[in-house]
Amino acid sequence: EVQLQESGPGLVKPSQSLSLTCSVTGSSISSNYWGWIRKFPGNKMEWMGYITYSGSPSYNPSLKSRISITRDTSKNQFFLHLNSVNTEDTATYYCARLVYYYDGAYNYFDYWGQGVMVTVSS
Amino acid sequence: DIQMTQTPSSMTASLGERVTISCRASQGINNYLNWYQQKPDGTIKPLIYYTSNLQSGVPSRFSGSGSGTDYSLTISSLEPEDFAMYYCQQYDSSPNTFGAGTKLELK
Repeated sequence: EVQLQESGPGLVKPSQSLSLTCSVTGSSISSNYWGWIRKFPGNKMEWMGYITYSGSPSYNPSLKSRISITRDTSKNQFFLHLNSVNTEDTATYYCARLVYYYDGAYNYFDYWGQGVMVTVSS
Repeated sequence: DIQMTQTPSSMTASLGERVTISCRASQGINNYLNWYQQKPDGTIKPLIYYTSNLQSGVPSRFSGSGSGTDYSLTISSLEPEDFAMYYCQQYDSSPNTFGAGTKLELK
């Protein structure tokens, strides 16, 4: 069974960096695409980006200057790093496995973590 | 970015009722449209991918349809576990974008 678990600080100060870890079991991060999504208070959801099985990232252009998605294949983990956070980055952050087949004709998240709530506040 | 207008934002329905949730894209998205369900405990799972393909393990009472800019998710006969949030997501162009969600509640 594929399982994902997010971890990281629940509180970050404005202007600091947010770093989250997604630990994966039941599937190799070297064999699929892996992404981050966040859900804001009020229920809006935002696709943040993903990293491919070969380690190449793709980011939401609105975050491109602040976001980095990396991985550690030895630990079967991937990471989200978001710089210069502000209160608008307060959200629940989800990691998920991305199904990406047929040159992107199928492109959806099939397994999700439970999410981690991150509050940006001084 | 492609805007996804999802309607209704909330609705109430009874067990056994047929319900339809709609998503309209700000431009054509070539059927590149997924539907997700979020349960009250926060669990998120895919229901439909590429407009009408049922994700493995999802009951057949869920179905998806649409083309061009207009897409819909239909639940043919509501079961107790179907009361949840539903989101559409387009992936025709980057960034992939989500609808604002539909909260389905028990009448």
